[in-house]
Amino acid sequence: QQQVKQSPQSLIVQKGGISIINCAYENTAFDYFPWYQQFPGKGPALLIAIRPDVSEKKEGRFTISFNKSAKQFSLHIMDSQPGDSATYFCAASIETSGSRLTFGEGTQLTVNP
Amino acid sequence: EAGVAQSPRYKIIEKRQSVAFWCNPISGHATLYWYQQILGQGPKLLIQFQNNGVVDDSQLPKDRFSAERLKGVDSTLKIQPAKLEDSAVYLCASSWTGFNEQFFGPGTRLTVL
Repeated sequence: QQQVKQSPQSLIVQKGGISIINCAYENTAFDYFPWYQQFPGKGPALLIAIRPDVSEKKEGRFTISFNKSAKQFSLHIMDSQPGDSATYFCAASIETSGSRLTFGEGTQLTVNP
Repeated sequence: EAGVAQSPRYKIIEKRQSVAFWCNPISGHATLYWYQQILGQGPKLLIQFQNNGVVDDSQLPKDRFSAERLKGVDSTLKIQPAKLEDSAVYLCASSWTGFNEQFFGPGTRLTVL
């Protein structure tokens, strides 16, 4: 079954802290793992993505860690800012076949000033 | 570059009524997606078009939902008749091909009473 499980459901972090969101998947054929950021009233926007040939990808304050053997990947937001307050979704797909993105349930992040 | 346009932004209807949503993708994007996002959940793909052909409609409730992209540009999603459980945000997204980053529109929030 092509499920992606995401945790926690909600997260509160102080400004300057590290936010960590975790996802686990079941389908070993998945080969593309993006993270989307969604603000209220807006559509999701791609934040960062990783493919299973690397274990980590960093873009600015955002880092994806990928553990292929555990079928898990996580998003780390360093030096979290109030402007990072949003809902974050992990997703997965079989990119080589252009298959649909399967999204996690989402994590509502609140960064307190 | 103009983003993905959707209308209307909000719609309230009674159950058993019909409703239609419109999407205009980013110019030149061959692939168009319709997603359903129920409150507190991640987006779920309803249908994917490549130009004016359907690539994936396996999760579209075909007894009540229909979609078309006649000229390979804009698209319409219809629900007829609507049920209470159809209350959700309907997101449209587009990409250059099915293998590229998806850009989402702001969505249409549907409330079925």
